[in-house]
Amino acid sequence: GNSVTQMEGPVTLSEEAFLTINCTYTATGYPSLFWYVQYPGEGLQLLLKATKADDKGSNKGFEATYRKETTSFHLEKGSVQVSDSAVYFCALSGKNTDKLIFGTGTRLQVFP
Amino acid sequence: DGGITQSPKYLFRKEGQNVTLSCEQNLNHDAMYWYRQDPGQGLRLIYYSQIVNDFQKGDIAEGYSVSREKKESFPLTVTSAQKNPTAFYLCASSIPGLGHNEQFFGPGTRLTVL
Repeated sequence: GNSVTQMEGPVTLSEEAFLTINCTYTATGYPSLFWYVQYPGEGLQLLLKATKADDKGSNKGFEATYRKETTSFHLEKGSVQVSDSAVYFCALSGKNTDKLIFGTGTRLQVFP
Repeated sequence: DGGITQSPKYLFRKEGQNVTLSCEQNLNHDAMYWYRQDPGQGLRLIYYSQIVNDFQKGDIAEGYSVSREKKESFPLTVTSAQKNPTAFYLCASSIPGLGHNEQFFGPGTRLTVL
């Protein structure tokens, strides 16, 4: 069945460091891929998405490229801020379904 | 402002009691979802509904029940049959779109069973 694997955290960085959070997936067909972010005590909000191979999603300085050949959707940001501290979830939705399958989440901690 | 509301934010119940969590949306979305979040396990789907008066079990439906009598509302009941109900519960909604559309999440309800 479909699944998402993301790197375990926490990821601890200093402000202005480069961020990569790895995400790989297993799915039949061509899923849509998403990154959601959860700030402490809140629900999830969409950070970015890509719906077909080679698409790049971007928002608030974050980017992720849908790589079919490596079944990956790694999240990157060139210079993190303290305010980026949160839990990041990679997710996919399979062909012809709106149900999301989530990874286990990666906690990011950014220190000044 | 359009959005999803969940109430209450914190809920405490004694073991053996049923409890109902509220979820309301004014986004005019047809689809609604309930997830459970436990530390280190990500989100797991409990129930979902794609249209009024219809809903389907997700991956962990045992011990839970739902109703969808109105488009705006999708309450979740945690029954006494749920063996480990203490968790963070998240409600979401979306426009059906064959997997391309984002889900919008509420702020969540943290349930603690004593």
